[in-house]
Amino acid sequence: AQKITQTQPGMFVQEKEAVTLDCTYDTSDPSYGLFWYKQPSSGEMIFLIYQGSYDQQNATEGRYSLNFQKARKSANLVISASQLGDSAMYFCAMREGTNAGKSTFGDGTTLTVKP
Amino acid sequence: NAGVMQNPRHLVRRRGQEARLRCSPMKGHSHVYWYRQLPEEGLKFMVYLQKENIIDESGMPKERFSAEFPKEGPSILRIQQVVRGDSAAYFCASTLRQGDNQPQHFGDGTRLSIL
Repeated sequence: AQKITQTQPGMFVQEKEAVTLDCTYDTSDPSYGLFWYKQPSSGEMIFLIYQGSYDQQNATEGRYSLNFQKARKSANLVISASQLGDSAMYFCAMREGTNAGKSTFGDGTTLTVKP
Repeated sequence: NAGVMQNPRHLVRRRGQEARLRCSPMKGHSHVYWYRQLPEEGLKFMVYLQKENIIDESGMPKERFSAEFPKEGPSILRIQQVVRGDSAAYFCASTLRQGDNQPQHFGDGTRLSIL
């Protein structure tokens, strides 16, 4: 079974609007971390936001927030006030506590911000 | 720039040649991870190393691929007798400690092209 599922291959959003990128995960480990990365067309991987499995509150970093619903095993990324520079590929990833070396990545969502 | 440094940024090899990819982790980081990204896909874990030790190589192909992280110098991912299917982007990441709450900081990647 896929450990990280991103069901939206592509998304469009109007500039200045908010957008939600979906991510569901599968683990039996009670301790895990969830991460979102941005990959612009230039190719580098940029860390955006982290959510721990024991965190009581949703993580926020500037215009990025993580809608963490533990019972549903979802960790959706919300980008507020979209900017043209937000156009990129976005990856959800997980590191499990019992296997805290590697990250498992989803297949990504391509976000296009329209002017 | 104190980030993760990878070189070369682009590497072209003919079938049968060897490819050597280098990664210098962030200053003070002793945990290094290698990932491979095929076009339009997410990153796939290859190997996790700590100084002079391979911790997890579950994602490494059994033949032709090897990795090291010596006491001094960068981590090296080595691909012998390259084939067309090795064409991909190879990313290195590093962390300060092991643990699921540690975001992995990525380098800009090496784009390997096999002629």
